[in-house]
Amino acid sequence: GAGVSQTPSNKVTEKGKYVELRCDPISGHTALYWYRQSLGQGPEFLIYFQGTGAADDSGLPNDRFFAVRPEGSVSTLKIQRTERGDSAVYLCASSSQQGYEQYFGPGTRLTVT
Amino acid sequence: DAKTTQPNSMESNEEEPVHLPCNHSTISGTDYIHWYRQLPSQGPEYVIHGLTSNVNNRMASLAIAEDRKSSTLILHRATLRDAAVYYCILRPYTIQGAQKLVFGQGTRLTINP
Repeated sequence: GAGVSQTPSNKVTEKGKYVELRCDPISGHTALYWYRQSLGQGPEFLIYFQGTGAADDSGLPNDRFFAVRPEGSVSTLKIQRTERGDSAVYLCASSSQQGYEQYFGPGTRLTVT
Repeated sequence: DAKTTQPNSMESNEEEPVHLPCNHSTISGTDYIHWYRQLPSQGPEYVIHGLTSNVNNRMASLAIAEDRKSSTLILHRATLRDAAVYYCILRPYTIQGAQKLVFGQGTRLTINP
């Protein structure tokens, strides 16, 4: 079946602009996670949803970052006033409610110039 | 979050077994040991997890020390496709199941032909 998909695969934006990154989870998965990965580092947790609500947003670095999942399936990560330090690969994962295994998408590579 | 320690890199030869170590001396009684791997330019993928007993699946085996302060991921016959960064992650048990993963630096495994 279809895995987790993320769009766009690459995004280049200028410093100060607003960006949206989209994640389509595996159908039926109630949990959805966002991580970001800088070069040479392991993924870093940002936020996770159980259904429509954010169950844990402790990883969001500041109030420029926001994520939504209005219908409990697709999620959008929104970054306002982008900074060069936001450049990274943004990974999305989904899992069943039990969540023992997370399924990751290929990521969106964000470059802020 | 409980911490794991892994070697930065390891090297092995194709068709030979590979033993990837992980130390987790501060593990608590309800922490599960999870392994994920990340192939180049891909999102992480689940490999295996366990609590106390050794575990086997189609991808690998997980050997857990009796005191649970260390574990070893075993690839029985490495192929070139197994070249990846391998992450050992402690994941506390929770009633709700789904929760974030805390990634460290992982071990970069190189397989020589």
